[in-house]
Amino acid sequence: GAGVSQSPSNKVTEKGKDVELRCDPISGHTALYWYRQSLGQGLEFLIYFQGNSAPDKSGLPSDRFSAERTGGSVSTLTIQRTQQEDSAVYLCASSTGTSAQETQYFGPGTRLLVL
Amino acid sequence: GNSVTQMEGPVTLSEEAFLTINCTYTATGYPSLFWYVQYPGEGLQLLLKATKADDKGSNKGFEATYRKETTSFHLEKGSVQVSDSAVYFCALIGGYGGSQGNLIFGKGTKLSVKP
Repeated sequence: GAGVSQSPSNKVTEKGKDVELRCDPISGHTALYWYRQSLGQGLEFLIYFQGNSAPDKSGLPSDRFSAERTGGSVSTLTIQRTQQEDSAVYLCASSTGTSAQETQYFGPGTRLLVL
Repeated sequence: GNSVTQMEGPVTLSEEAFLTINCTYTATGYPSLFWYVQYPGEGLQLLLKATKADDKGSNKGFEATYRKETTSFHLEKGSVQVSDSAVYFCALIGGYGGSQGNLIFGKGTKLSVKP
């Protein structure tokens, strides 16, 4: 079956512009996560959604970052007024639930470069 | 809060050598432990996991045992191949402290295997 997909695969933008990154989780997975991977910070959690519950936003680094999940499926991560330190690979993952035993399946990522 | 510490890389080995990548964690309660692998140019993949103390996860010749007494989850392989060259990430979910849903990753260890 299809895995997690993300688009675009690469995005180059100018400092100060807004960007939107998209994630399509595995069909039937109720939990969806966003992480980012950067040279300086490693792999960091950003936000996760579980079913109809309020999202856990505890990892978002600033109020320029937001995410939504429509219809319990596709998710969009939005970064407003991008800064150079936002350059990273943004990873999306999904799982059947958020219990500690669940395996998270990752997409290929979106590589963001802010000039 | 919860955290994961893994040995710094890079690690360079000859083919058929024995591999150990150390991983220790800090967590309250009973987290689940994971090893993820990122092959060059590819996304993160689950390599193995263990969800309770003394469990052994294994896959593709790799093994790791969940040791609660030493808070460790060291990755081992008896005979590495060139195709094992990748970055390996130790991670945890859950326990009583910190977020239940998201993965907390170590910094990653880059392994290079020479023929």
